[in-house]
Order: sequence, then structure tokens, then C-alpha cells
Amino acid sequence: AQTVTQSQPEMSVQEAETVTLSCTYDTSESDYYLFWYKQPPSRQMILVIRQEAYKQQNATENRFSVNFQKAAKSFSLKISDSQLGDAAMYFCASLSGTASKLTFGTGTRLQVTL
Amino acid sequence: GAVVSQHPSWVICKSGTSVKIECRSLDFQATTMFWYRQFPKQSLMLMATSNEGSKATYEQGVEKDKFLINHASLTLSTLTVTSAHPEDSSFYICSARNLQGAYNSPLHFGNGTRLTVT
Repeated sequence: AQTVTQSQPEMSVQEAETVTLSCTYDTSESDYYLFWYKQPPSRQMILVIRQEAYKQQNATENRFSVNFQKAAKSFSLKISDSQLGDAAMYFCASLSGTASKLTFGTGTRLQVTL
Repeated sequence: GAVVSQHPSWVICKSGTSVKIECRSLDFQATTMFWYRQFPKQSLMLMATSNEGSKATYEQGVEKDKFLINHASLTLSTLTVTSAHPEDSSFYICSARNLQGAYNSPLHFGNGTRLTVT
């Protein structure tokens, strides 16, 4: 079984600043993948970034990067140069090879202030 | 590319009636689609995995007779909420995995359906 924990229900960041959203997970699988999804007020789920567990290098997508600590089972998301459009719910999710289905965390609501 | 269309985007129905929600992959084929339910300010809870041409696999605690899933083609899955009650009111989201993609390829999500049962 997989579990994903997001301990920050809400976070706030000023425009142009950097913010880090936390995520921890637990899985007995050796082959798994981790994702961050963004859900703006429109409720559309948007893939932000993806990390393969077998890769040591942290994934990066423009202003978004992750800090993947495999031993600690930690997968945090860093948003640099925050923009107003980054305001949304952010969900951490894991996918294992055997289950082949996503397990989501409870989400972190990110506010971006001027 | 990789667009998933979900219809309707919102629906209001009376208690006791049935409601059908469609999930279509517009520009790709999907052997597997997933149905999620999301309560206000909560996470997405997987209800069932829909496989083209076979019976859906339901998660523990989800009533298969209550939430009927049909995946008759590689581009369409439907979720029918039968004999709806107010407690079924929720936001339902579908997602699809490209047939050409590996099991770990990202899912593409529909825009969701807000169901209100009065």
C-alpha cells in the first residue's frame, strides 16, 4: 500500500519569492514514481513535475524543482520566482509499478501575495 | 495534445434519479481510465479503474452497483450514479492514460463534473 502525506494545509508566499511545499510518502515498492499536480480554482488537474525513483538527479521544470530524498522518503516541491498564477492547490502523488494507480496526498493550498 | 473531455461539467438532479457522466480522450486512445471523487477542500479519492472491454476494478468501500462504470471504447468511459442521494453530491474527475504510454506515464485529467443531488 502507498501513502502520501502533505503536512502543510496552507502556505503563503510573496510574489517573486521562493516557497517549498513538503511531501512525504511511504511505499514498499522499489519501482515507483512521484508527481506534483496543481489544481487551480478551475479544478483542472495540471501536472507540474515528475520524478522517477530510480533517478538520483532532482527533476526540474523551469521555475519548479524537487528535492527528492529517497532514504527519507521525502519529495518536496520548490517554486522559485512565485507568480500570482501559481496560486492553487498542490497535490503530491505516488505511483507504483504493481498498483499502477495514483495515490494523492491531502493537498497544500498555496496563496501568492503581492 | 492529450485532451480529456468530461461532460457535463455540472449537473443537478433529484434524489432517486440516475446521472451519467462521460469521459472522452479526444486525441489519444486510452485502455485505462480512472474515476476520482473529490469532496470540498479534500484530496482526490480513487473510486475505480476502468479498463476498455472488461469490468471495472473498484476501490474498497465503493459500491459497484451504485457507481456503474462502462468503458466500451478506447476513447470513452462513463460513470453512472444510480439512484442518487444528497450524499452523492460531490466533484467527480476522470483521468486517462495514453495507450501508447507506459504505466508510469502521466495521467491526463478531465475538467471534472460537479454533481448536486437535491
